[in-house]
Amino acid sequence: DAGVTQSPTHLIKTRGQQVTLRCSPKSGHDTVSWYQQALGQGPQFIFQYYEEEERQRGNFPDRFSGHQFPNYSSELNVNALWLGDSALYLCASSFDSPKTDTQYFGPGTRLTVL
Amino acid sequence: GENVEQHPSTLSVQEGDSAVIKCTYSDSASNYFPWYKQELGKGPQLIIDIRSNVGEKKDQRIAVTLNKTAKHFSLHITETQPEDSAVYFCAATWADNNNDMRFGAGTRLTVKP
Repeated sequence: DAGVTQSPTHLIKTRGQQVTLRCSPKSGHDTVSWYQQALGQGPQFIFQYYEEEERQRGNFPDRFSGHQFPNYSSELNVNALWLGDSALYLCASSFDSPKTDTQYFGPGTRLTVL
Repeated sequence: GENVEQHPSTLSVQEGDSAVIKCTYSDSASNYFPWYKQELGKGPQLIIDIRSNVGEKKDQRIAVTLNKTAKHFSLHITETQPEDSAVYFCAATWADNNNDMRFGAGTRLTVKP
């Protein structure tokens, strides 16, 4: 049973560029959440996708956008990159149910903005 | 919104000793409290979680306790081993709307052989 997978593993971009990160949820999961983890800090919630729509959003600017596909996989897009966007981007998947709320994380994508 | 504080930021113990990491949360509506272990270069791995309808949960060498009145919860690791060395994160959320999970800043645990 494959867990949460993310691609690419590492990415280097320059300021002003745009980036797309990808996530495939754990088998049987229908909900994908994205987090940003700066060095030495805990993950910060960016947004969550369910039924192909953004369900809730954290305190991140509109430069951060996402998408969820019919197969539940998801993309995170960041426009107009700046140095402060350098971080580990984590995807977590879960199953939308009142009785099941555990989120499982992928290995992350390390984004470096130069 | 929810605010989670975690202490200590670093913890060093001898192999075989116990380790305790403590977290406090601010939103009394939070009812789901997971703990994650993150090793270098990897994503966080769920190690144990607790819901607000119980006060303690144990899984082999790992236990979590929850005090809803004081709004704090703790991770206890007994008989520590070198492979327990990692960064541990606590988190809190309202599970009925499990969207905005708030994390503590993390505790770097080092177990010396």
